[in-house]
Amino acid sequence: NAGVTQTPKFQVLKTGQSMTLQCAQDMNHEYMSWYRQDPGMGLRLIHYSVGAGITDQGEVPNGYNVSRSTTEDFPLRLLSAAPSQTSVYFCASSYAPSGNYSPLHFGNGTRLTVT
Amino acid sequence: QQQVKQSPQSLIVQKGGISIINCAYENTAFDYFPWYQQFPGKGPALLIAIRPDVSEKKEGRFTISFNKSAKQFSLHIMDSQPGDSATYFCAASKQSGYSTLTFGKGTMLLVSP
Repeated sequence: NAGVTQTPKFQVLKTGQSMTLQCAQDMNHEYMSWYRQDPGMGLRLIHYSVGAGITDQGEVPNGYNVSRSTTEDFPLRLLSAAPSQTSVYFCASSYAPSGNYSPLHFGNGTRLTVT
Repeated sequence: QQQVKQSPQSLIVQKGGISIINCAYENTAFDYFPWYQQFPGKGPALLIAIRPDVSEKKEGRFTISFNKSAKQFSLHIMDSQPGDSATYFCAASKQSGYSTLTFGKGTMLLVSP
């Protein structure tokens, strides 16, 4: 099994450009989420989804959109990129909410630079 | 408001030594405390986790100690090896609804040969 696959691995954007970070999982997990990792800031939750058609905001949702049309895919859209969005982005999935002691399975990340 | 505080930010330990990373939480509703390990260029992966009904959980060289009254938990790595060099994140969540994990800021561990 591939697990959680993120594309692209690296991306450079100019301020104001838009793009979509792709995330796909083949474990039939209902729960998917997006985190950003910045030095000294740990992992911060951007958006999450508890199933197809259901999404909700996390800790740092501004500037990002998500949708969940299938169980497998959970893309993250940057509407108008800003330098503050320079970060490493991780997608994760789990078979149940974290409160049910379900481990998160992370992809290997997308390193985004906004100039 | 940072709900999970992790220390130290970085740690250097000699091979064979004990690595200790500490976390403190504020929300008494938290009842699941996992630790994630992240190698450079990779996503984090679950290392070990504990529930508050036990004070200690051991898996190989890795041990979580949990102090409910102090709202603290820690990761001990015994006989640390260079291959343990990674970033470690503590986290917490509550067993209700669609609870999400709250992560600490991470500890970068370097085990010197």
